[in-house]
Amino acid sequence: SQTIHQWPATLVQPVGSPLSLECTVEGTSNPNLYWYRQAAGRGLQLLFYSVGIGQISSEVPQNLSASRPQDRQFILSSKKLLLSDSGFYLCATRGVSSGNTIYFGEGSWLTVV
Amino acid sequence: AQSVAQPEDQVNVAEGNPLTVKCTYSVSGNPYLFWYVQYPNRGLQFLLKYITGDNLVKGSYGFEAEFNKSQTSFHLKKPSALVSDSALYFCAVRDGGYNKLIFGAGTRLAVHP
Repeated sequence: SQTIHQWPATLVQPVGSPLSLECTVEGTSNPNLYWYRQAAGRGLQLLFYSVGIGQISSEVPQNLSASRPQDRQFILSSKKLLLSDSGFYLCATRGVSSGNTIYFGEGSWLTVV
Repeated sequence: AQSVAQPEDQVNVAEGNPLTVKCTYSVSGNPYLFWYVQYPNRGLQFLLKYITGDNLVKGSYGFEAEFNKSQTSFHLKKPSALVSDSALYFCAVRDGGYNKLIFGAGTRLAVHP
């Protein structure tokens, strides 16, 4: 079965500072990878998805970017954080063996102060 | 565009009573529907999915969901609620290719002893 690792689990960053959240997946190869953001403990919004190394699709215009330097590594970044970037960031994957099911990591809490 | 609606912000149930969390959907074509559960400060856990076949889908932790095409609904049910079922529940629908998911706003389930 596949395992999703996200780090850091919690992050407090000042406005204007850079951001790097990392996600790695084990137990599958060539997975689809996704970044979701959950604001205010409720709705989830898809930010980026990737179907392969170097292939990134953005779902919404924003202050964030994503990269996939390796098959099972997905990174969420920002050059200058805004207060509105605060939220719970979830990495997710659909592996080859999981059919149509998307599985989520444990998330990274970002507070911009 | 695909969408899901969870009409109840919160559902309150007494322990031992049956529970229902409602979800309605709007899709073009055949729907791929999912239910996830989120405990505080955790990622989303997959409960069950409907792709095709029997309208009654059984999932994890004793949950089941009934797909109703005529009513465009996919309600989550459990015959006997537990206090430990208290959590945030999300309904989701697949949006196009690459297994992107669109989520409802979530329903908070509170099971009282």
